[in-house]
Amino acid sequence: AQTVTQSQPEMSVQEAETVTLSCTYDTSESNYYLFWYKQPPSRQMILVIRQEAYKQQNATENRFSVNFQKAAKSFSLKISDSQLGDTAMYFCAFMKPYTGANSKLTFGKGITLSVRP
Amino acid sequence: GAVVSQHPSRVICKSGTSVKIECRSLDFQATTMFWYRQFPKQSLMLMATSNEGSKATYEQGVEKDKFLINHASLTLSTLTVTSAHPEDSSFYICSALFGLAGWNEQFFGPGTRLTVL
Repeated sequence: AQTVTQSQPEMSVQEAETVTLSCTYDTSESNYYLFWYKQPPSRQMILVIRQEAYKQQNATENRFSVNFQKAAKSFSLKISDSQLGDTAMYFCAFMKPYTGANSKLTFGKGITLSVRP
Repeated sequence: GAVVSQHPSRVICKSGTSVKIECRSLDFQATTMFWYRQFPKQSLMLMATSNEGSKATYEQGVEKDKFLINHASLTLSTLTVTSAHPEDSSFYICSALFGLAGWNEQFFGPGTRLTVL
């Protein structure tokens, strides 16, 4: 079974600064997907970024980038130029390759990020 | 991204009544949908996997007779909370799985807040 660990329950960052959210996971799979989801106060789950395990290049999406270390089973999210709208809960998640009904997401406990003006 | 709707967004009911929550995939046909439960400041807990045309698969500890799931079409899954009690009050989120070879992603509904009095 897969596990996803987010050990920091809360973080705070000053607007315009950079913050890194940590995530580690455990799996015996060689191929898989990793995700970071954002859940703002509206509680709508929003996909921030995804990474395929077979790709060595770290994924980037505008101000969001990941540091994917497959051997260490680490998948951290870096948010650059933090904005007030980045205030949310962030969840790290793991998924096996598409196998229909078995494509469940395994979530970490989440981290509450507050961006200070 | 694809749109998944949920209805209702909020529901308040009396203890002992049943409540039905609908989850619709608006942009694609979803053979697999998932139902989650989330308490404040906590992660999403997977309740069950809903498969079109077959019985749902429930996670350990989830009462299948209490949380009835029906996935009658490729765009609609429903969750019925039967004989609801105050401890069933929670935020319920559904997601629809979009899967193709080499790409899979869950798209989330906006959630339903259930309050049982």
